[in-house]
Amino acid sequence: NAGVMQNPRHLVRRRGQEARLRCSPMKGHSHVYWYRQLPEEGLKFMVYLQKENIIDESGMPKERFSAEFPKEGPSILRIQQVVRGDSAAYFCASSQDRLGSGANVLTFGAGSRLTVL
Amino acid sequence: QKEVEQNSGPLSVPEGAIASLNCTYSDRGSQSFFWYRQYSGKSPELIMSIYSNGDKEDGRFTAQLNKASQYVSLLIRDSQPSDSATYLCAVNPSFKTIFGAGTRLFVKA
Repeated sequence: NAGVMQNPRHLVRRRGQEARLRCSPMKGHSHVYWYRQLPEEGLKFMVYLQKENIIDESGMPKERFSAEFPKEGPSILRIQQVVRGDSAAYFCASSQDRLGSGANVLTFGAGSRLTVL
Repeated sequence: QKEVEQNSGPLSVPEGAIASLNCTYSDRGSQSFFWYRQYSGKSPELIMSIYSNGDKEDGRFTAQLNKASQYVSLLIRDSQPSDSATYLCAVNPSFKTIFGAGTRLFVKA
């Protein structure tokens, strides 16, 4: 039973390029969350998605960032025209359900570490 | 006011001692509360979840929740060097889980 799978684990981009980060949730999980973590800082919520729907994107910058979770395939976090300040670890998490026992428990992927040169 | 506040530490305790980690949150409507552990360079992993007032024990870990005071704590008994990590308090007030900045714990052998 594979956990949350993220790829790539490490990504290097030059300023102005695009970064695409992928996340496949745990089997049976229908909720996906993206978080950003700067060195020595906490996790900052970016976006919450269900299949084909963005539920809450209040933590995502209005420009250059977008996220999707299509009916088929992984969730994708896309960063266009990257800048040095985008360098961070991006964690994806999934959860099974919002109600009942174990509600809102997040299982995290290993993270994708983006470095912008 | 931050939504979830933690003392950043570092908190240093000797091996075998009790480590006490604290957290306050701002949204009174929050219903789900969590402690995650994160080792350096790794992803967070769930330690405890708690949904109602009182104590919840799991092995060496005890989570305490006081909704009236908007306070969550984690006690680690018989601390081990392997417990040295950053502990993240997390609260779910609505559709998203909000994390505190984390408390660094060092357990000295």
